Amino acid sequence: AQKITQTQPGMFVQEKEAVTLDCTYDTSDPSYGLFWYKQPSSGEMIFLIYQGSYDQQNATEGRYSLNFQKARKSANLVISASQLGDSAMYFCAMREALNTGFQKLVFGTGTRLLVSP
Amino acid sequence: KAGVTQTPRYLIKTRGQQVTLSCSPISGHRSVSWYQQTPGQGLQFLFEYFSETQRNKGNFPGRFSGRQFSNSRSEMNVSTLELGDSALYLCASSPGLLNTGELFFGEGSRLTVL
Repeated sequence: AQKITQTQPGMFVQEKEAVTLDCTYDTSDPSYGLFWYKQPSSGEMIFLIYQGSYDQQNATEGRYSLNFQKARKSANLVISASQLGDSAMYFCAMREALNTGFQKLVFGTGTRLLVSP
Repeated sequence: KAGVTQTPRYLIKTRGQQVTLSCSPISGHRSVSWYQQTPGQGLQFLFEYFSETQRNKGNFPGRFSGRQFSNSRSEMNVSTLELGDSALYLCASSPGLLNTGELFFGEGSRLTVL
């Protein structure tokens, strides 16, 4: 079974600084996808960035980039120039293919990021 | 384009009661999946529906059920509520089979069981 590990329960960063949120994964499938979601206090899961296992380059989306190290099975999220609005829970997730042809997401336990002025 | 809409946003029930939660996916999306989020267990997959058929189910008891309508709207039902069912229930939609993109989540329905 696939597994996602986020070892940082909480992270603090000052506004305008960069922060890295760690994520390691375990899978025996050669084809997989990795996601990062942001969950503010409202509850909605907001998609941030996606990395496919065969993607040659690290994914980037604005201030978000994914440091994908396949051999180490890590997919860390880097947020550059942190903003106060970045304070939220961040979840790393892996797409698990099901034998029905569909998929589900397996989530890590999350990291709570707090950005201070 | 409207996002995923979940209703109700908040509800309080007592043990033994049942509850029905509703999810309207993004227009054109045919797959709806449900997740339960609790402080202790984190985010767990409940089930997924596509074309009105349940395609897969997570490791939850039979008290948890759902259905999908022809317009792709989905409902999930929890019968004989227990205290441990208190959670945020998140619905997510996607275009469908073998989707390689992200899931689009709603804001969730927060259920409190007293």
